Amino acid sequence: GAGVSQSPSNKVTEKGKDVELRCDPISGHTALYWYRQSLGQGLEFLIYFQGNSAPDKSGLPSDRFSAERTGGSVSTLTIQRTQQEDSAVYLCASSLGGAPDTQYFGPGTRLTVL
Amino acid sequence: LAKTTQPVSMDSYEGQEVNITCSHNNIATNDYITWYQQFPSQGPRFIIQGYKTKVTNEVASLFIPADRKSSTLSLPRVSLSDTAVYYCLVGDLLGGGYNKLIFGAGTRLAVHP
Repeated sequence: GAGVSQSPSNKVTEKGKDVELRCDPISGHTALYWYRQSLGQGLEFLIYFQGNSAPDKSGLPSDRFSAERTGGSVSTLTIQRTQQEDSAVYLCASSLGGAPDTQYFGPGTRLTVL
Repeated sequence: LAKTTQPVSMDSYEGQEVNITCSHNNIATNDYITWYQQFPSQGPRFIIQGYKTKVTNEVASLFIPADRKSSTLSLPRVSLSDTAVYYCLVGDLLGGGYNKLIFGAGTRLAVHP
């Protein structure tokens, strides 16, 4: 079946612009995660959605970052007033249930802020 | 929060067994230990998960001592295609005790001919 998909695959933007990153999880998966991975670095957890519960936003690096998940499916990560340090690969994952269920990762969105 | 520590890099040769150890001294009672593999320009992929003792699947084994303060991923007879970054993940959100899933910095494994 279809895996986790993310769009766009690449995004180049100018400093100060807003960007939206999209994640389509595997159908039926109740949990959705966003991570950030800077070049050559490990994964930094950003936010976690589980069913209809309010997400845990404590991993978001600043108030310029926000995320929502509509209808328990598609999720959008929004970064406002982008900065150069926001440049990274943003990875989305979904799992059938909550942690510690296996997470299935999407290919990521490579964000470059000029 | 449970913090994990892994070696930055390891080198091996085809056909050898590779053991990668992850330290997680502050692991909580509800935490599971999961290992992921990541190839360049791809998202991580699940390898194996365990809670205690030993777990084995078709690709790897995971050894967890009784105190659970560390875990060792064992890859038998590696091949060139096993060259990747391996991440140790400790966490559990079901219990509500942790708000973040903590990935280690990853271990870059290079397998040589």
